[in-house]
Amino acid sequence: GQQLNQSPQSMFIQEGEDVSMNCTSSSIFNTWLWYKQDPGEGPVLLIALYKAGELTSNGRLTAQFGITRKDSFLNISASIPSDVGIYFCAGQLNTGGGADGLTFGKGTHLIIQP
Amino acid sequence: GAGVSQSPSNKVTEKGKDVELRCDPISGHTALYWYRQSLGQGLEFLIYFQGNSAPDKSGLPSDRFSAERTGGSVSTLTIQRTQQEDSAVYLCASSRYSGNTIYFGEGSWLTVV
Repeated sequence: GQQLNQSPQSMFIQEGEDVSMNCTSSSIFNTWLWYKQDPGEGPVLLIALYKAGELTSNGRLTAQFGITRKDSFLNISASIPSDVGIYFCAGQLNTGGGADGLTFGKGTHLIIQP
Repeated sequence: GAGVSQSPSNKVTEKGKDVELRCDPISGHTALYWYRQSLGQGLEFLIYFQGNSAPDKSGLPSDRFSAERTGGSVSTLTIQRTQQEDSAVYLCASSRYSGNTIYFGEGSWLTVV
């Protein structure tokens, strides 16, 4: 299936720094989703975006649905140790095609140094 | 239930044996997905069930893999004649309807020795 390009692959940052990661695609999506996976756990939904240009916040997290519908970014402000984990983007097309038109990025590994 | 429930949470099996992994989706969710995640890797789609429609099996890596969903609720993923490369986390997810946000279980960690 198609792939999303998620970057960066990994990030090593200091506690308190802001974090930015993004996903791009060669094709459009109707929905963008951001998940976080803690070690030993399943992915947990952080933010869902449903409209091109939409900017949504959830606490220290902010995500945007790109105006072209081919990209999305996630920002984390003032990072704390519990932000450590793998962040996945997912694009959904809702055409009823394979896997419900859902495509995942390969993840961004966030590591925070105290 | 409150969330997607998977069992077993951990399974160690000998190469060549068959394994069954179970997923109990969120109550009322009609769509159910299985994904595989190898260590440190992204999510690999395996199979998708939507209501009473024929499942999308396009992600199953070989004919040793199969899945069924009985009564539109609980699903079982079966891996026959397991190989070491089958070692991974198998994640189940569900959504209320096709196109709605999906929610994941905590995964079944399979180790083939």
